[in-house]
Amino acid sequence: KNEVEQSPQNLTAQEGEFITINCSYSVGISALHWLQQHPGGGIVSLFMLSSGKKKHGRLIATINIQEKHSSLHITASHPRDSAVYICAVFPHSGGGADGLTFGKGTHLIIQP
Amino acid sequence: EAQVTQNPRYLITVTGKKLTVTCSQNMNHEYMSWYRQDPGLGLRQIYYSMNVEVTDKGDVPEGYKVSRKEKRNFPLILESPSPNQTSLYFCASSSASAYNEQYFGPGTRLTVT
Repeated sequence: KNEVEQSPQNLTAQEGEFITINCSYSVGISALHWLQQHPGGGIVSLFMLSSGKKKHGRLIATINIQEKHSSLHITASHPRDSAVYICAVFPHSGGGADGLTFGKGTHLIIQP
Repeated sequence: EAQVTQNPRYLITVTGKKLTVTCSQNMNHEYMSWYRQDPGLGLRQIYYSMNVEVTDKGDVPEGYKVSRKEKRNFPLILESPSPNQTSLYFCASSSASAYNEQYFGPGTRLTVT
């Protein structure tokens, strides 16, 4: 069974700090998604990765397929980055057949 | 504006009273899916649909039904709700499959007493 582990579960940091959130998974995947869930509950997609690295503004996502590991980095963190960050993987056996398997999320708080 | 809408956003109901949560997308997406989110368990897939009239079970389908009669709509039906179906529900869509970028609805908070 595919398992997705995120660390840390909770993270509190000061404004301006460099943030790293990790995601490890147990089976071969075709894609990995990073999602952001706002305090109000809405979920938005940040990145979809199948290899390498992507950057959007202050957010950077990397994936190492061989090591079954991905990281989400936030540079120059800001209180508005406070949210739950969720990793989700799409296994090789997919084609939609298996859907996404989600990590339990990392609750990030950035203090001013 | 490209969006996924869900209704209702909040619902309190009693055990056994049939209910439907609607989901609609305006992006002409092929793939739609329902998830539930519970504390300590995260998001789990209930059902998904690859296209009109094509639906399949996710990880936790028991107690739920879905239909996909039109491309834009994917309602979630609880024929006889029970308290263990109290949860936060999300509908999502993507262009082709779970591989592609997911667009989530705003969520429906359901309480079954």
